[in-house]
Amino acid sequence: DVKVTQSSRYLVKRTGEKVFLECVQDMDHENMFWYRQDPGLGLRLIYFSYDVKMKEKGDIPEGYSVSREKKERFSLILESASTNQTSMYLCASSLSLLSYEQYFGPGTRLTVT
Amino acid sequence: AQSVTQLGSHVSVSEGALVLLRCNYSSSVPPYLFWYVQYPNQGLQLLLKYTTGATLVKGINGFEAEFKKSETSFHLTKPSAHMSDAAEYFCAVRVVYTGANSKLTFGKGITLSVRP
Repeated sequence: DVKVTQSSRYLVKRTGEKVFLECVQDMDHENMFWYRQDPGLGLRLIYFSYDVKMKEKGDIPEGYSVSREKKERFSLILESASTNQTSMYLCASSLSLLSYEQYFGPGTRLTVT
Repeated sequence: AQSVTQLGSHVSVSEGALVLLRCNYSSSVPPYLFWYVQYPNQGLQLLLKYTTGATLVKGINGFEAEFKKSETSFHLTKPSAHMSDAAEYFCAVRVVYTGANSKLTFGKGITLSVRP
């Protein structure tokens, strides 16, 4: 069964802290994605990766970075958290470039105070 | 550029009534279209998808959607709503950005409430 896990369901951090959100998939998928979800705005793509050590900016990359050192793991990094980064963060993966179905993790609700 | 529009943010129906959630798309290439559902406190789950072929697509939990090119629409329907259908629904379109590389662009989502 397909599984995408995220390191935390809920996270509270202070302004200025460095924050790591971890995502792991066990399906040997090539592509991984990070989205943020905000009420009334839907899902917005932050970064994605189509191979180990490869990354592409999504629609809202400012204030974020990512790391993909292993195929199964994709990390989202907030270098200096700000209150406007309080949001739900969703990780997803898909098998290949030609496979458009994405499998999602349960999400991490991050609050920055 | 490819995009989807979901009009309205909330739909409320009675249990047993028809569910109709609207999605219109904009795409300069033949679109690949998707509906995802998000139950409370969970990630998104694929309901159904249209890539090529039959324009009426059936998905899980009794949902279906019809691709209508002339109307640039991909509306989601279910003949009879169940209480368990209460969730947020997202329409999405494939976006081709370079060569064979693609990603999904999501609509803003619609919250479905089901009244007893």
